[in-house]
Amino acid sequence: EAQVTQNPRYLITVTGKKLTVTCSQNMNHEYMSWYRQDPGLGLRQIYYSMNVEVTDKGDVPEGYKVSRKEKRNFPLILESPSPNQTSLYFCASSERGTGAPGNTIYFGEGSWLTVV
Amino acid sequence: AQSVTQPDIHITVSEGASLELRCNYSYGATPYLFWYVQSPGQGLQLLLKYFSGDTLVQGIKGFEAEFKRSQSSFNLRKPSVHWSDAAEYFCAVGLTGGGNKLTFGTGTQLKVEL
Repeated sequence: EAQVTQNPRYLITVTGKKLTVTCSQNMNHEYMSWYRQDPGLGLRQIYYSMNVEVTDKGDVPEGYKVSRKEKRNFPLILESPSPNQTSLYFCASSERGTGAPGNTIYFGEGSWLTVV
Repeated sequence: AQSVTQPDIHITVSEGASLELRCNYSYGATPYLFWYVQSPGQGLQLLLKYFSGDTLVQGIKGFEAEFKRSQSSFNLRKPSVHWSDAAEYFCAVGLTGGGNKLTFGTGTQLKVEL
């Protein structure tokens, strides 16, 4: 079964304590992304990756880091979390870029992160 | 830069009534358009997508959407709403060359009255 798996699903942490949200896909996809969802703002892309060792900033990258050392994994790192990073985070993957005919983007189930 | 507008934040319909959720986009070229649904506490599920060709697109769960280039719209429709359709609906646009980035609208929360 095609899956994008995120962990943890729920986390409450304190300001400044480094954390990592993992994302793994089992479809051998080249493209992966991270989004955050905030009320009234929809989903906004944080970072994306087009292949191993190839990453780039999305619309809201400040305060986040990513790495892509293996094709299946794309962790999101918050080096020093702040309360304004409290959000619902989604990882997404796809075989090809958005404009490729028939391409489907798969989303994980989301990670609720609260920074106090 | 492309943008997506969903003008209705909340919509309430009676079960069995028809539904239309509005979506307008701003983009210079032909966009790739998507509708996703998010049930409470759940992830995002793709309802349907438009890349090219027939402007009326059929999706899952009885949904359809029509691409109207002249109006820059991609409205989602369902002829008869079920209580289980209550959820948040997101319209999104993608473009070539942006990795697999989607630009999302702010969402429409659908409430279904029994």
